[in-house]
Formats: sequence, C-alpha cells, structure tokens
Amino acid sequence: EAGVTQFPSHSVIEKGQTVTLRCDPISGHDNLYWYRRVMGKEIKFLLHFVKESKQDESGMPNNRFLAERTGGTYSTLKVQPAELEDSGVYFCASSPGGTGSYGYTFGSGTRLTVV
Amino acid sequence: AQSVTQLGSHVSVSEGALVLLRCNYSSSVPPYLFWYVQYPNQGLQLLLKYTTGATLVKGINGFEAEFKKSETSFHLTKPSAHMSDAAEYFCAVRLTPGGGADGLTFGKGTHLIIQP
Repeated sequence: EAGVTQFPSHSVIEKGQTVTLRCDPISGHDNLYWYRRVMGKEIKFLLHFVKESKQDESGMPNNRFLAERTGGTYSTLKVQPAELEDSGVYFCASSPGGTGSYGYTFGSGTRLTVV
Repeated sequence: AQSVTQLGSHVSVSEGALVLLRCNYSSSVPPYLFWYVQYPNQGLQLLLKYTTGATLVKGINGFEAEFKKSETSFHLTKPSAHMSDAAEYFCAVRLTPGGGADGLTFGKGTHLIIQP
C-alpha cells in the first residue's frame, strides 16, 4: 500500500509569506496527525483529525496556523503569515484507529525554512 | 502531563557490539510506548510498540524493547550493531484512551553512531 505522502519536501519562503503544506494519508485511515520538529528540539504534536473533524488541536502554536481536512481525505496546513520561528520539519502521520494500538505511519516530512 | 527522556543525544558503539538506547517516561496513567527510527532524508519508521500484553516487545531489524513499569522505562536494545543501524532513534509515549491528549509525546532523539 502507498504510504503517507507529504509535499512539498522542501519549502523556502520569506517572512510574512504564506505557505501551504499537504498530507495524503494512507487510504482508509480516518485518523490524521500533524507534528513539527524545530531544529534542536523534540518532535511536537500539533493536531489530530478524525475524518474531517478536528479531534484535538491543543498543540497548534497560534492562530497563524490553519489546518483543514477536506472530505476526510488529504489535509493541508497553512501558515500565514510565516515567521522565522516557524522553520522546522513538519510531519504528518495517519492511523486506522485513534488509540495508538495500531501504531502511526509517518510521512517523510516537509522541511520549511523561513528567511 | 507525560514526558519522555532519552539519555544521550549521541550514542556510539562498535559494529557487532550491543546497542542500548535508554528511554524513561513519566505518565500518570499506563501509556502506550513506541520506538521510531529516522534514517537520513527519510521519514519516521516504526520499530516497535508496546500497548498491552507481553512486556518484551520484538521489532524490526533485530531490535527489541522491554517495558518496565516499576522503572518507568522502555529501553531499546539490539545484540549486535550493524553499520546500517546508524540513524536517529525516537522514543514516544501516548496516553491510553481517555487519558488526555491524542498525540504522541516524543523524546529528543538519540543519534546512533556505528564505529567500524
């Protein structure tokens, strides 16, 4: 089966611009997660979708970040306007269940650099 | 709130030697525990997980980990290191359902270096 796909793999934007990251989960996985790793720090949970609904968005850093999951399929994470501290690697993961008992499949990540 | 501590940001072992990567967690409720590996320029790959049942868990590539509740530990081991094991390893915890936030809490990661 195809894995979790993220694109772009890399993005370099200027401070103040807008960037949209996309994640395509494994087909049939209702649960989709976004994580971020800022350089030198641990990977941090951002939010969790169950189908098209946001189940938990407690990790979203501020209102410059907007996540959507249209029709319960792919998801986008928009950063507007981008700030320097938003630089990092953004990971997406999906799972057939929300409890973790099946594990989570991660994508390769999008490396975002804000200059 | 839960937290994960990985002892040592870098661990160096000789090829053929035992690999031991340490992970301790703090959690107010029984957790699910995971080890992930990230090879250069790749995503996170699940090595193994503990949810319920047997506390000694075997994973891919010859790795295994043992959940020790009394020590709040989930250390990762491999009897004999191979050059291809060089990567960054992450320990993560997820609270059992109803215990709080849905996401994984990760440790800071440990770079495993294999010396020829």
